Amino acid sequence: GAGVSQTPSNKVTEKGKYVELRCDPISGHTALYWYRQSLGQGPEFLIYFQGTGAADDSGLPNDRFFAVRPEGSVSTLKIQRTERGDSAVYLCASGRTGALQETQYFGPGTRLLVL
Amino acid sequence: AQTVTQSQPEMSVQEAETVTLSCTYDTSESDYYLFWYKQPPSRQMILVIRQEAYKQQNATENRFSVNFQKAAKSFSLKISDSQLGDAAMYFCAYRVFQGGSEKLVFGKGTKLTVNP
Repeated sequence: GAGVSQTPSNKVTEKGKYVELRCDPISGHTALYWYRQSLGQGPEFLIYFQGTGAADDSGLPNDRFFAVRPEGSVSTLKIQRTERGDSAVYLCASGRTGALQETQYFGPGTRLLVL
Repeated sequence: AQTVTQSQPEMSVQEAETVTLSCTYDTSESDYYLFWYKQPPSRQMILVIRQEAYKQQNATENRFSVNFQKAAKSFSLKISDSQLGDAAMYFCAYRVFQGGSEKLVFGKGTKLTVNP
């Protein structure tokens, strides 16, 4: 079956602009995660959805970052007033139920470059 | 704070040889899972192997095996009979359920080069 997909693959924007990054999880997966991977670092947790609700948004760096998952499937990560420090690869992952022992399946990421 | 440390930023190995990647972690939880992920240049994180903390037996997956030392909080990955396709970034991670949520905590990664 299809894996996790993310669009766009790459995004270049100017400082101060608004961007939206999309994640399509594996069909039927209720758990969805966003991570941010800066250059030379491992991924860092941003937010976790269980169904439509954000179960844990403790990793969002500030109020410029917001994510939604209105129908419990596709999720959008939204970044307002982008800054150069937001440049990174944004990874999305999904899991069947979110149980501790489950595998998280990752998408290929969106590389965001803020000029 | 929950942390994962990979002390080897880069490693290299000859094709067909064996290499071990190191990982230590710090958590006060008793129930957690440990993972090794591979990230090739395509950026997609691929699960290599996982270990349940309550299991003493080390996990193995074909050419990949781990040395899990719970008391020492150490979780190393051994790759046997290295192949050119094993070249990638390798990330150690653990996952713990805490406060109604669970997430992966990653190390900084080790870049593995496989020489022909």
